Amino acid sequence: DAKTTQPPSMDCAEGRAANLPCNHSTISGNEYVYWYRQIHSQGPQYIIHGLKNNETNEMASLIITEDRKSSTLILPHATLRDTAVYYCIVRVADNNDMRFGAGTRLTVKP
Amino acid sequence: DAGITQSPRHKVTETGTPVTLRCHQTENHRYMYWYRQDPGHGLRLIHYSYGVKDTDKGEVSDGYSVSRSKTEDFLLTLESATSSQTSVYFCAISESRSTNEKLFFGSGTQLSVL
Repeated sequence: DAKTTQPPSMDCAEGRAANLPCNHSTISGNEYVYWYRQIHSQGPQYIIHGLKNNETNEMASLIITEDRKSSTLILPHATLRDTAVYYCIVRVADNNDMRFGAGTRLTVKP
Repeated sequence: DAGITQSPRHKVTETGTPVTLRCHQTENHRYMYWYRQDPGHGLRLIHYSYGVKDTDKGEVSDGYSVSRSKTEDFLLTLESATSSQTSVYFCAISESRSTNEKLFFGSGTQLSVL
């Protein structure tokens, strides 16, 4: 399985962009990169996913390097409500599981 | 938000008693999943279903059984609850198993086995 590596924690100032990195050096060609977040003890919330092109939606942007070995989730204007654990996941082909690691705990500070 | 309802939201039970958790969806998605979340372990897949009466085991299936008699309902049963099954349980749904298909998660059930 492709595994991901994320920093355990990060801080960000309110109103600034939060850039969350993820390494997935063993990713295969048809495997997508997903980002979820979990606020306190709520269910994981889908943010964005992509294969090789950069993606943007109303919540965030996803930048994937050309070699696909790493990606960055960008929250353009972080708010206090963005404080959460962010998970970077590679969805393996023909696998019915989505493996969540430890994630990055993002704290947005006033 | 995806239409996923988990019940109950909180339950306290005693060791040795049977417990059933329910996941109900209104999205008509084919795939349904049960995960548990524990400190230091992240989310781990217990069982999943790929259709009515079609289920399979996940990473941590021992001590759990599931049933899916209707598309919209996926039940997780602990036949004889143990303290090690104290956890937060999340249900998830997806339309397919494609790697381009996202999962949507419910709000969770906090289960305490005393």
